[in-house]
Amino acid sequence: GDSVTQTEGLVTLTKGLPVMLNCTYQTTYSPFLFWYVQHLNEAPKLLLKSSTDNKRTEHQGFYATLHKSSSSFHLQKSSVQLSDSALYFCALSGGSAGNKLTFGIGTRVLVRP
Amino acid sequence: EAAVTQSPRNKVTVTGGNVTLSCRQTNSHNYMYWYRQDTGHGLRLIHYSYGAGNLQIGDVPDGYKATRTTQEDFFLLLELASPSQTSLYFCASSGPGDRGAETLYFGSGTRLTVL
Repeated sequence: GDSVTQTEGLVTLTKGLPVMLNCTYQTTYSPFLFWYVQHLNEAPKLLLKSSTDNKRTEHQGFYATLHKSSSSFHLQKSSVQLSDSALYFCALSGGSAGNKLTFGIGTRVLVRP
Repeated sequence: EAAVTQSPRNKVTVTGGNVTLSCRQTNSHNYMYWYRQDTGHGLRLIHYSYGAGNLQIGDVPDGYKATRTTQEDFFLLLELASPSQTSLYFCASSGPGDRGAETLYFGSGTRLTVL
């Protein structure tokens, strides 16, 4: 079945520094990849998504590129802000009928002043 | 912005108790989902549906039933609750496509505690 791996459980960094959150996946279908962000005591919401190989997708200063050759969709930001402190989930839809999303376990980002 | 409303926000029950979690979406989305969120496990799909009367099994269905009564309403039922079902439950909806590209819109969550 489909699977998503996020290797970092917690990332702690100082405001203004760059960040990269790792995401790799496995699927036998043509993949759609998503990043969802969940702030404290809120619902998850979409940050960005892509199904196009080797094309950078950007939203709210975050960006990611789907690389089908390495099955990766890493999330990056050049300069983090305090408001970026949140839980970030990578998710995969294998493209089969049903819109069924498989989520990674999440990476918590803590930004310090 | 899509609207998904869950109730109750918090629920406490005892082992063996009967619990129903409710979800309503007002965006005419075809798909609705129930996820549970646990630290170290992320979001795991319990059940989902692509329309009234339809039910699809998710990845962690044991101990749960679900029913989609209308396009808008999706219920999650725990008929014999156990402490292992203590979790944060999210309902979500998406539509209109069915080929994996649709955004999920989540409700605010229900925190369930089984004593």
